[in-house]
Amino acid sequence: LAKTTQPISMDSYEGQEVNITCSHNNIATNDYITWYQQFPSQGPRFIIQGYKTKVTNEVASLFIPADRKSSTLSLPRVSLSDTAVYYCLVGDPNTGGFKTIFGAGTRLFVKA
Amino acid sequence: GAVVSQHPSRVICKSGTSVKIECRSLDFQATTMFWYRQFPKKSLMLMATSNEGSKATYEQGVEKDKFLINHASLTLSTLTVTSAHPEDSSFYICSARGRDTQYFGPGTRLTVL
Repeated sequence: LAKTTQPISMDSYEGQEVNITCSHNNIATNDYITWYQQFPSQGPRFIIQGYKTKVTNEVASLFIPADRKSSTLSLPRVSLSDTAVYYCLVGDPNTGGFKTIFGAGTRLFVKA
Repeated sequence: GAVVSQHPSRVICKSGTSVKIECRSLDFQATTMFWYRQFPKKSLMLMATSNEGSKATYEQGVEKDKFLINHASLTLSTLTVTSAHPEDSSFYICSARGRDTQYFGPGTRLTVL
């Protein structure tokens, strides 16, 4: 399973764009990159998933360079409610044994 | 998106008793479910992989006789913490593998007195 490395914490202000980068140097050919958000005492919430280039949904964008050894989660115009831990995970969702191993995650603090 | 529920959301029990936690996939079938444990300010730690109709696969260091997992149907997996002790107090989270990714339950807070 590919290991991921993220910054431990980040600070931002309301209305700013936040970019969180994750390194996954040993990502395998069939691996996808998935980001989750977790609030205290809640289960992780799926944010976005991608394989290559750029993926965008209603809450975030995911940028993946050609070598796929890193990825960047972009949160546009964050608000106080975006304060949470963000996890980057790598794995092949198409295998029966796909299991998500969590790294330390990035604690994002959004200030007023 | 897909919904995964857990029951109960929180439970307090006495040391030595057993506690069962249910995990259900509400709008999809899941042949594979996962159980995690999370301590305060820490990341999720995978405990075991639960496969419908077969024995669970436990991660290294997780006692299979203490954490009993049953995956009797495509929408239900249960985790039973047997003879619970205060050190088993934690936040337990399950997840179910949907078509494209994993979806997580809201978690169960277990406190053992």
